[in-house]
Order: sequence, then C-alpha cells, then structure tokens
Amino acid sequence: SQELEQSPQSLIVQEGKNLTINCTSSKTLYGLYWYKQKYGEGLIFLMMLQKGGEEKSHEKITAKLDEKKQQSSLHITASQPSHAGIYLCGADNEGNKLVFGAGTILRVKS
Amino acid sequence: SAVISQKPSRDICQRGTSLTIQCQVDSQVTMMFWYRQQPGQSLTLIATANQGSEATYESGFVIDKFPISRPNLTFSTLTVSNMSPEDSSIYLCSVDWGVYGYTFGSGTRLTVV
Repeated sequence: SQELEQSPQSLIVQEGKNLTINCTSSKTLYGLYWYKQKYGEGLIFLMMLQKGGEEKSHEKITAKLDEKKQQSSLHITASQPSHAGIYLCGADNEGNKLVFGAGTILRVKS
Repeated sequence: SAVISQKPSRDICQRGTSLTIQCQVDSQVTMMFWYRQQPGQSLTLIATANQGSEATYESGFVIDKFPISRPNLTFSTLTVSNMSPEDSSIYLCSVDWGVYGYTFGSGTRLTVV
C-alpha cells in the first residue's frame, strides 16, 4: 500500500522566515493534498496537485508536485504566527481513499 | 466546496458506554468517509459509507465496534461502541468534493475515562 513520509516532523521558525515541508511517496502520486490542522480540530484544505510539475499558490503558501510525481513540497514565505499548526499531506489511494503522512508540526516564534 | 457540520465537537465518556457522532453535509454526496486520529498520530481511515449499502471497513476496524449509518445522501453517523480509554481520539468525517479536494468536518474530540 502507498505510504507517505513527511519531513521534518516538527519545525520551529522565527516569524518572517521561510520554510519548506516535504512529502515523499512510496508510489506515483495521482492526487496529492495538503491540509492544515489546528491542534485538536478538523482539517483545512489548502491545495490539491495532480500533474507532474504542477505548482499552486495561495497567499504565502506554495505547493509543488515534482515531475516524477513522487514528491511534493509546501513552502511558506515570510511565516506568521497564524501559520502555526500541523501540516498534513494526503494522497489518493485505491478506491477514493486518502492516505496521510504523519504530519509536520509548525511553530512560529514571534 | 461542501460544508460539513459535525457534532458533538468533544465529549468525555465513561468506559463501556457508546457515543454517536453525526455529520451533516450541505450538499448530496455519494461517499462519506470516517477517520480516526489517535493522539499524536496521523489520520487513519475507519470506513467508507455509501447511501443504501453497508459501510466498507478498513483492516483493523469492525462493524460491531464502529457501526455506521448512512440514511441519505447528506447525513451519516458513526458510533463508537463499548468504549475504552484506547478509543480516545479525534474522529473526523470527510467527503470527496472534486477539485476542492476532500473536505473534512471539524472533528469530534473523544476522551474515554
């Protein structure tokens, strides 16, 4: 079955700094999703990537899917305290099921 | 995208009791998904619920422990039965909303004491 490995597991950055979170799949990705989760709450959809080389941006967050479609990165520019949370990547598995990475905990220091 | 109302948002339950979690979607959807997120871990799919048929459970999850109802295309319930402290988790429902990705409910934070 497909497995997603996220790195780093946790990250502490100074406000205003840039950061990157990676998600590597054990199989070709046909749909890659990025979510943000506040502690103990539901998931907020950030972006969906489907094509190799695809890149999407929303506000200060940019996500890319590499050409070989086995890795995605999430880049946050000029981080703010509001960016703090858990970032999860998810991938389409067989039968419309999502598998998730373990998550990256982001803390932003003011 | 779809809006999902999930309740309760949190509960503290005695071991041996059952809790039913409800998810209401503002649009008709074919499939609804139920996930569990144990403390400090990522999400694990419990089952897929289709309207008019029995839910399909993932390995490690059984209907007796997690019965699911799907009476129509906008509503589903998940019951956590005969609870033990190991069932303390966040439970989330989700729907596939096409280009908007999978939309999730706000989650139910369950603590079993």
